[in-house]
Amino acid sequence: DGGITQSPKYLFRKEGQNVTLSCEQNLNHDAMYWYRQDPGQGLRLIYYSQIVNDFQKGDIAEGYSVSREKKESFPLTVTSAQKNPTAFYLCASRSREGYTFGSGTRLTVV
Amino acid sequence: KQEVTQIPAALSVPEGENLVLNCSFTDSAIYNLQWFRQDPGKGLTSLLLIQSSQREQTSGRLNASLDKSSGRSTLYIAASQPGDSATYLCAVMDAGGTSYGKLTFGQGTILTVHP
Repeated sequence: DGGITQSPKYLFRKEGQNVTLSCEQNLNHDAMYWYRQDPGQGLRLIYYSQIVNDFQKGDIAEGYSVSREKKESFPLTVTSAQKNPTAFYLCASRSREGYTFGSGTRLTVV
Repeated sequence: KQEVTQIPAALSVPEGENLVLNCSFTDSAIYNLQWFRQDPGKGLTSLLLIQSSQREQTSGRLNASLDKSSGRSTLYIAASQPGDSATYLCAVMDAGGTSYGKLTFGQGTILTVHP
């Protein structure tokens, strides 16, 4: 089955630590996105990539970084510069038929 | 700046009722509109995608309509079931080269269908 796989499902970060969230797709989609979901704030765009080796900042990119070395993979790193990283992170890819989302990673600062 | 509003914020209905969820957006220059379902702690599942040139889409008991000029979409759920209980999200993709496919989401409608 084609889809998007996010791992891990749960992630705990200590203060000052960088952590990386994995996102893999086998849909052969060029465009991929990272959104952050917070209670009462809806989903907000962190980074997007429309093609391999290219990515752009979204609305709330500060404290995050990404890479797009392969079409199938779009990992998100949450750096120590992100002051409030506790949230639900969703990866997605897009085609003419719309968006497909992964199952999400819940990140908690401990 | 595009803004999306969903009404009501929460809805509780008995099983078997037909119901309507509303979504409005401020900028009518959209490429498409997509309805999603989200179960607690899960990702988003796409329900229906309506292109800007279309008026409605149907899938099983779900029907979504789009009135682009008035900035409105409705999701109609027929004969609701307890398994329909979830948060329903409306999202629009703006038209134009600068949109880069970004979705603007509403806050969602939390639906509870009780037996």
